[in-house]
Amino acid sequence: QSALTQPPSASGSPGQSVTVSCTGTSSDVGGYNYVSWYQQHPGKVPKLMIYEVTKRPSGVPDRFSGSKSGNTASLTVSGLQAEDEADYYCVSFAGSNTMVFGGGTKLTVL
Amino acid sequence: QVQLQESGPGLVKPSETLSLTCTVSGGSVSSGSFYWSWIRQPPGRGLEWIGCIYYSGSTNYNPSLKSRVTISIDTSKNQFSLKVSSVTAADTAVYYCAGPYRSRFEYWGQGTLVTVSS
Repeated sequence: QSALTQPPSASGSPGQSVTVSCTGTSSDVGGYNYVSWYQQHPGKVPKLMIYEVTKRPSGVPDRFSGSKSGNTASLTVSGLQAEDEADYYCVSFAGSNTMVFGGGTKLTVL
Repeated sequence: QVQLQESGPGLVKPSETLSLTCTVSGGSVSSGSFYWSWIRQPPGRGLEWIGCIYYSGSTNYNPSLKSRVTISIDTSKNQFSLKVSSVTAADTAVYYCAGPYRSRFEYWGQGTLVTVSS
């Protein structure tokens, strides 16, 4: 069970859109529609932003969206705002009731 | 609203066993279909899933930690617990408890820093 692959960093200007990728295998991301995304500000607890690839919990702005193609899931943040600057982690179900995280992506709002 | 709170020693000696407890309020650990998880984050690094326990008591662990980890549940106290044996400095991390679903972590505790040092 290897960690999912995320780019270490991503950036965009206010108002722009940014997409963060999360690449796994057919044994995790590609095999199940159970990918979720978490936002973590420095020193804070991670917050669920997207679950089951595309679903948004109540209270999460619709600027955040998720998708998946093959073994790669993606988180898109549209209309970037300063408060979106944070670390983002993907996690996928990996079979046998196990989960695997991505290494995290630091999103910078320029 | 479900709330989780971790508790346990903040300092553990190398080769000893790390023990943490997560107390759940606003919900029951024994509710059907709920999974309760432990996740850790070494300082300055990413999140790592440690394992989970089903309300019935069945467990699943990260293969890389499986030989050293035990998760248990105490429905009478509405708590679940984590033990990591033979700890080294590499086990120094903020430990989070989370739940209540298998495939997503909707509720998180505040996290507790455990340092492994003599």
